[in-house]
Amino acid sequence: DIQMTQSPSSLSASVGDRVTITCRASQGIGNDLGWYQQKPGKVPKRLIYAASSLQGGVPSRFSGSGSGTEFTLTISSLQPEDFATYYCLQYNSYPWTFGQGTKVEIK
Amino acid sequence: EMQLVQSGAEVKKPGESLKISCRGSGYTFANYRIGWVRQMPGKGLEWMGIIYPGDSDTRYSPSFQGQVTFSADKSITTAYLQWNSLKASDTGMYYCARVRLGVDVWGQGTTVTVSS
Repeated sequence: DIQMTQSPSSLSASVGDRVTITCRASQGIGNDLGWYQQKPGKVPKRLIYAASSLQGGVPSRFSGSGSGTEFTLTISSLQPEDFATYYCLQYNSYPWTFGQGTKVEIK
Repeated sequence: EMQLVQSGAEVKKPGESLKISCRGSGYTFANYRIGWVRQMPGKGLEWMGIIYPGDSDTRYSPSFQGQVTFSADKSITTAYLQWNSLKASDTGMYYCARVRLGVDVWGQGTTVTVSS
């Protein structure tokens, strides 16, 4: 199975900060990676697919990069509505696997 | 509008059986796999596995193999997640999601509580 190691597990940031979250795959997955945002009590929402493609309707401050084993989600200027937990998901090979999640909190 | 609508919250006792549903609409249900995701209280997302409604081909994550059963009825555009004997550790939120470059459309989730 492919393990997805996500870091950090949590971070504190201020509105306007640039935030970077990383997912590392235990073996190469090409660009078969998505990023999801989940707010408390809400359904997860896809932000990024194919490592760097922005989901329709998602603000352009979100971006994804990487391929192979190292992937990054960047929020260029953190907004109040971005405080949430973020997950990566590899869909290159079964069983698919999520990262452990990164909780973004207000500093 | 593409959507997945899941059945309502369930409260069960250990040892009981349960089948929850996920009905798709707004797209050709048989053409897209459905994934199932568990979220235990206060924890992260766990990928359970996947079913292709077109031919009911299923793939289970090792942690869930033998513990749950996926099924689908494409004639009524519905996928199912079933337990034969629930445990307290099955308590959590269960999401279905349409598979397309990962998952794109999510159901609203079904809360399952297993308690004596």
